[in-house]
Amino acid sequence: EIVMTQSPATLSVSPGERATLSCRASQRVSSSLAWYQQKPGQAPRLLIYGASTRATGIPARFSGSGSGTEFTLTISSLQSEDFAVYYCQHYDNWPYTFGQGTKLEIK
Amino acid sequence: EVQLVQSGAEVKKPGESLRISCKGSGYTFTSYWITWVRQLPGKGLERMGRVDPTDSYANYSPSFQGRVTISTDRSINTAYLQWSNLRASDTAVYYCARCDYGAGICLDWGQGTLVTVSS
Repeated sequence: EIVMTQSPATLSVSPGERATLSCRASQRVSSSLAWYQQKPGQAPRLLIYGASTRATGIPARFSGSGSGTEFTLTISSLQSEDFAVYYCQHYDNWPYTFGQGTKLEIK
Repeated sequence: EVQLVQSGAEVKKPGESLRISCKGSGYTFTSYWITWVRQLPGKGLERMGRVDPTDSYANYSPSFQGRVTISTDRSINTAYLQWSNLRASDTAVYYCARCDYGAGICLDWGQGTLVTVSS
């Protein structure tokens, strides 16, 4: 089973600033990597798949990069609605696994 | 509009059985995998298993193999997650999701079902 490790666990950023979240896979997963956003009391929402393709309706301030074992989610100019928990998840081979999440909080 | 509507919250006792449901609408049910995800209180997301509604083929993450059963009834566009012997440690919110790429990319999610297991 591939282990996904996200860092940092918590990230404090001011509105309008850039946020950079990291995700590392214990084995190569090619570009089979997705990012999800989850707000309190809500279901997760797909943001990015294929490591860098934004899902339908996702604003351009969200971008993903990376391949192999190292991945990054960047939010270019944080809006108030972006403060949430973010999860990466690989889908290279079953079982697909999530990282433990990064909580993005207001500084 | 694609929707996944899950059954309501449940309160059960240890040792009891339970089946929760997830009804899809607004898309061709057999064209997308359904996955179930567990979220323990205050914790992260865990993938439990996936099912192909075309033939009800299901497989499970190792942590959940033998503990739960995932199935579908394509005649009513519904997926199920069931337990035969609940434990207190099963207390969690359970989400279903409509997924592409063999359940790798989850496009739409249900609202979640809170299951509480307590004596």
